[in-house]
Amino acid sequence: AQSVTQPDIHITVSEGASLELRCNYSYGATPYLFWYVQSPGQGLQLLLKYFSGDTLVQGIKGFEAEFKRSQSSFNLRKPSVHWSDAAEYFCAVGRNYGQNFVFGPGTRLSVLP
Amino acid sequence: ETGVTQTPRHLVMGMTNKKSLKCEQHLGHNAMYWYKQSAKKPLELMFVYNFKEQTENNSVPSRFSPECPNSSHLFLHLHTLQPEDSALYLCASSQVELGQNTEAFFGQGTRLTVV
Repeated sequence: AQSVTQPDIHITVSEGASLELRCNYSYGATPYLFWYVQSPGQGLQLLLKYFSGDTLVQGIKGFEAEFKRSQSSFNLRKPSVHWSDAAEYFCAVGRNYGQNFVFGPGTRLSVLP
Repeated sequence: ETGVTQTPRHLVMGMTNKKSLKCEQHLGHNAMYWYKQSAKKPLELMFVYNFKEQTENNSVPSRFSPECPNSSHLFLHLHTLQPEDSALYLCASSQVELGQNTEAFFGQGTRLTVV
């Protein structure tokens, strides 16, 4: 069965510092991978996605993620964090058919001024 | 109109009440989903509709009853709920084409409190 793990429940970084959020997945074939962000009381907003091709994908708000098949990872990065990036971040994997997305448990990001 | 709209945004209901959550998507998608998000728990997929047909029901209790009258609208009918059903209920939609997956677009959610 497919699954997603996000090892870090909560991360705190200073504004302006770099960020890396970890995501590992288990999937029987080449996965479709996603990162979503959720602000308190809101729905999930897509940051970026990987379907195929270049393993380094760019997203909105200055985020990027790199797909590493050998490590079954899809880590999210940002070179310089802004206070507005404080939120919950979810990694997800999708299937080719069935449209059922499996989400990781989320990583809560706090940003210090 | 935003892509996926959920109403109401907040709902407080007693355990004997009957209420419905509504979701509408303006993206022309053909698949819609209900998710439950509880505190300190991963997102739980509840129901999936593809071309108005229910394709998945993840062992959801019968006190939750989905309805998908067309590919743009999705309802979640609630009756005799329990306090542990209090959560954020999220609706999402995506497009299925030739078996290819696309990203899901989410609504803002309905915060449900059962008293």
